[in-house]
Amino acid sequence: KNQVEQSPQSLIILEGKNCTLQCNYTVSPFSNLRWYKQDTGRGPVSLTIMTFSENTKSNGRYTATLDADTKQSSLHITASQLSDSASYICVVSRQTGANNLFFGTGTRLTVIP
Amino acid sequence: DADVTQTPRNRITKTGKRIMLECSQTKGHDRMYWYRQDPGLGLRLIYYSFDVKDINKGEISDGYSVSRQAQAKFSLSLESAIPNQTALYFCATSDSDREQFFGPGTRLTVL
Repeated sequence: KNQVEQSPQSLIILEGKNCTLQCNYTVSPFSNLRWYKQDTGRGPVSLTIMTFSENTKSNGRYTATLDADTKQSSLHITASQLSDSASYICVVSRQTGANNLFFGTGTRLTVIP
Repeated sequence: DADVTQTPRNRITKTGKRIMLECSQTKGHDRMYWYRQDPGLGLRLIYYSFDVKDINKGEISDGYSVSRQAQAKFSLSLESAIPNQTALYFCATSDSDREQFFGPGTRLTVL
């Protein structure tokens, strides 16, 4: 069964601290993995996209890693800011099939001053 | 993303009413999607369209219908709304399977 699981479900950190969000998947055959940021009341916005051959990709203070062998990805946020408070959604794409996107349920991050 | 717009942004309706949610995009993408989001369940695909003449059911299409009026317009209809269709609805577009661009969402409440 194709699944995407994220952990933790929610996380509270102090402003300025780092954090890491996890995504494990069983989607096969794998095509690519994306991390989205969703602010409250807004649509998701893409942070990073990684294919099978990419094991790390950065976007400012966001760094995503991918281990295609263990089917795990992480999103590391450095020097967190209040504006990082949002839900972070992992989305895995399968190579075959028209309906080929699988969404995680997200990690709700709250950054407090 | 201002390139993908949804109307209305909020809607409260009663059980049994017909509701239409509209989506427009200026990105020139062929592919358009409708999702619903419920707390703790993540995004679930309702319908998707890869071009004007192509409509496909997603994971949870029962109780919904769609119309692709043009490349830039994709509307979602609830023929007879029921309370468990209360959710946040998102339209998205893409030109490939690498990235989707989401609209701002429509919050629908069915009483």
